[in-house]
Amino acid sequence: GEDVEQSLFLSVREGDSSVINCTYTDSSSTYLYWYKQEPGAGLQLLTYIFSNMDMKQDQRLTVLLNKKDKHLSLRIADTQTGDSAIYFCAEPISGNTPLVFGKGTRLSVIA
Amino acid sequence: KAGVTQTPRYLIKTRGQQVTLSCSPISGHRSVSWYQQTPGQGLQFLFEYFSETQRNKGNFPGRFSGRQFSNSRSEMNVSTLELGDSALYLCASSLGAGVNTGELFFGEGSRLTVL
Repeated sequence: GEDVEQSLFLSVREGDSSVINCTYTDSSSTYLYWYKQEPGAGLQLLTYIFSNMDMKQDQRLTVLLNKKDKHLSLRIADTQTGDSAIYFCAEPISGNTPLVFGKGTRLSVIA
Repeated sequence: KAGVTQTPRYLIKTRGQQVTLSCSPISGHRSVSWYQQTPGQGLQFLFEYFSETQRNKGNFPGRFSGRQFSNSRSEMNVSTLELGDSALYLCASSLGAGVNTGELFFGEGSRLTVL
């Protein structure tokens, strides 16, 4: 099957770190993606990681990739109220597009 | 550079009607994908077009169809609407497979309500 699995909800306090986890299906995926969706908006690419990398850091974001377990995680350091959104993990169906998305993790940040 | 534009943003239809949604991709992008987003199912892939040809198709009934024009603009059509078709329909464009990281650029969506 082509199911990308994510937990549905995560609640954190402002200033804490958030970790969103994802399990993907295709070990041959070249890139894996994290998208963010704010209320009433479309999806926006947050970051991506190439499959030959174990980790990628971009400011407050850290992506970890465990290819053996097909596990991808997104860590947001110093989480702010503006980070409240739905976060989607995605992998390609074949080649580079189209993408299969998880159901999304709704992150709530408590002030 | 203008982003992905979807029209209309909101629409209300009744069961049995049909609807056409439009998507203008980012200039230079040749690939357009369509997704249906619902609270229960999340994002479900509908179809992908590249250079006016349908390249991939998701698991949706034949009531869902699409096409792409020579200027890369795309339309999707849903005939004989059912209540379950109520959803946010998202269009995404990209340069095309094999030439980049595969990043999709999404529009804000067309929210369809079927009564």
